[in-house]
Amino acid sequence: DGGITQSPKYLFRKEGQNVTLSCEQNLNHDAMYWYRQDPGQGLRLIYYSQIVNDFQKGDIAEGYSVSREKKESFPLTVTSAQKNPTAFYLCASQTDWSNEQFFGPGTRLTVL
Amino acid sequence: GDSVTQMEGPVTLSEEAFLTINCTYTATGYPSLFWYVQYPGEGLQLLLKATKADDKGSNKGFEATYRKETTSFHLEKGSVQVSDSAVYFCALSERTGGGADGLTFGKGTHLIIQP
Repeated sequence: DGGITQSPKYLFRKEGQNVTLSCEQNLNHDAMYWYRQDPGQGLRLIYYSQIVNDFQKGDIAEGYSVSREKKESFPLTVTSAQKNPTAFYLCASQTDWSNEQFFGPGTRLTVL
Repeated sequence: GDSVTQMEGPVTLSEEAFLTINCTYTATGYPSLFWYVQYPGEGLQLLLKATKADDKGSNKGFEATYRKETTSFHLEKGSVQVSDSAVYFCALSERTGGGADGLTFGKGTHLIIQP
């Protein structure tokens, strides 16, 4: 089955630690996205990548980093510089001929 | 910049009631419009979409019509079920093809259907 997978589903981190969230897709989509969801605030764009080895900052990129070494993978690192990292993180991908995005199941990150 | 405004919830209805969730948008160009649904603890699923003015998107009994004159894309369903309980997001995209720089989302409307 084609789709987007995110792991882990739940993640706990101590303050001051970096943590990497995984996102993999087998839909052969060129574009991939990371969003952050907080209660009552909808989704906000962190980073996006339209092609391998290229990515752009979204609206709230500070404290985050990404890489795009393979078409299928777009990992997100939440660094210790992110002041309030506890949130639900969603990864999405999109074809090159449509603006419809497909979402993964999400990772809930909690900083202890 | 682009923005999406939707009615904030929670919206509580009885089963078989008529549903309307309002959504209005601000965009510089001619965006595509979407409704996504999120069930508890899950990612978002596309519910329906419309790519140009006067288009009507429909799926699973839900409908929304792209109204350029009122910059609106209200979601409607004639008879809701308990299983429709979820959070609904209105969103827009300015690009019609590849290279889109992400969707702009509303804050979401939590819908609760009581039996």
